[in-house]
Amino acid sequence: DGGITQSPKYLFRKEGQNVTLSCEQNLNHDAMYWYRQDPGQGLRLIYYSQIVNDFQKGDIAEGYSVSREKKESFPLTVTSAQKNPTAFYLCASSIDLGRSTDTQYFGPGTRLTVL
Amino acid sequence: KNQVEQSPQSLIILEGKNCTLQCNYTVSPFSNLRWYKQDTGRGPVSLTIMTFSENTKSNGRYTATLDADTKQSSLHITASQLSDSASYICVVSPYFGNEKLTFGTGTRLTIIP
Repeated sequence: DGGITQSPKYLFRKEGQNVTLSCEQNLNHDAMYWYRQDPGQGLRLIYYSQIVNDFQKGDIAEGYSVSREKKESFPLTVTSAQKNPTAFYLCASSIDLGRSTDTQYFGPGTRLTVL
Repeated sequence: KNQVEQSPQSLIILEGKNCTLQCNYTVSPFSNLRWYKQDTGRGPVSLTIMTFSENTKSNGRYTATLDADTKQSSLHITASQLSDSASYICVVSPYFGNEKLTFGTGTRLTIIP
């Protein structure tokens, strides 16, 4: 059963803690992305990766970090430097980064709440 | 600044009725426009993707139209079902790639029996 999985579905963090959100895909896609979704706003790009061991900052990368050690995995760490981390986080993938007509496939999301 | 505006923000219709959602964009250059459906608490699912040369594309009861001259798109839902209750997001892509997408804020559609 192909697709993108994210875990956990819900995550609670105390202020000052780092947390890592998992994203795994078995679609054999080269490109992967992390977005943040807030009420009343469109999705905003945090980081993206075109290939293993390579990733680029998106529009709102401050306070976040990523790694891409394997093609199928793209974990996102929300650090204590992120001042307003409470949001719905979505991971996505596509066959390639550079082809603009490639459909992005999204995971089910992780809702992060800071206590 | 690239922008995508959707209207209405929310819409309530009776089951079985048709509806049309609007999307206006100022993204330039323009490569393609996508419509996604997002159920509450879930990730978006692709409905259609249209390039500048396509005027219409259908996916079952969903039909998207595109007017690249006026920079407008619409998503028409025919014979609505309760399962159509969701947010519908318009996304516009410039020529460069998937890292430059501009997302609209969505239209929240509620179907009532």
